[in-house]
Amino acid sequence: QVQLVESGGGVVQPGRSLRLSCAASGFTFSSYGMHWVRQAPGKGLEWVAVISYDGSNKYYADSVKGRFTISRDNSKNTLYLQMNSLRAEDTAVYYCAKVPIPYYYGSGSYYDYWGQGTLVTVSS
Amino acid sequence: DIVMTQSPDSLAVSLGERATINCKSSQSVLYSSNNKNYLAWYQQKPGQPPKLLIYWASTRESGVPDRFSGSGSGTDFTLTISSLQAEDVAVYYCQQYYSTPPPLTFGGGTKVEIK
Repeated sequence: QVQLVESGGGVVQPGRSLRLSCAASGFTFSSYGMHWVRQAPGKGLEWVAVISYDGSNKYYADSVKGRFTISRDNSKNTLYLQMNSLRAEDTAVYYCAKVPIPYYYGSGSYYDYWGQGTLVTVSS
Repeated sequence: DIVMTQSPDSLAVSLGERATINCKSSQSVLYSSNNKNYLAWYQQKPGQPPKLLIYWASTRESGVPDRFSGSGSGTDFTLTISSLQAEDVAVYYCQQYYSTPPPLTFGGGTKVEIK
């Protein structure tokens, strides 16, 4: 069955960096676009970034553009989110999410599977 | 950006009664070339990730009970739980995936409780 397992979260000081990972299994990872979505404590869902199945297409939310980088290693079935220059407002649970349609090159999609999330806390 | 507005913020419904959640988009999410509404609904229980309920505004995800239904087109959408069960207590979110390029956007959420 499909599994998405995030890791790499933790407490980090403002201005520092963190790299999140999302290990995928149970499907052909290299065939599906992937997204990161975050949720601040007690708040709603915020889309963060998307990467196409082959890694050639990437988009970011304005709130993270220039600071965060999404990437993937299809040989390792792993999605990444490199987060630099972290701010207090980046504090959230970060989810990776899978799109349902293989080889879909568009950036807009709903999500059929989500990971359990990893908590990032930015605090001094 | 397309703004998604949900109403109400919360509602309390008796067991077995109907729950109705509304979602309005600031511009149409109906793609004319395929006549599909790029709108999804998710359920999120405490401490869990969101779970897909409905996509294309009205298509129920496999395994989702048929008491959940989605309707609407263009800018106005509704999620209906026809007969509320205790396990349906959750926060429900709508999401538009029409925007190309992104951002994809979510509604603010509607908390459903038992009266």
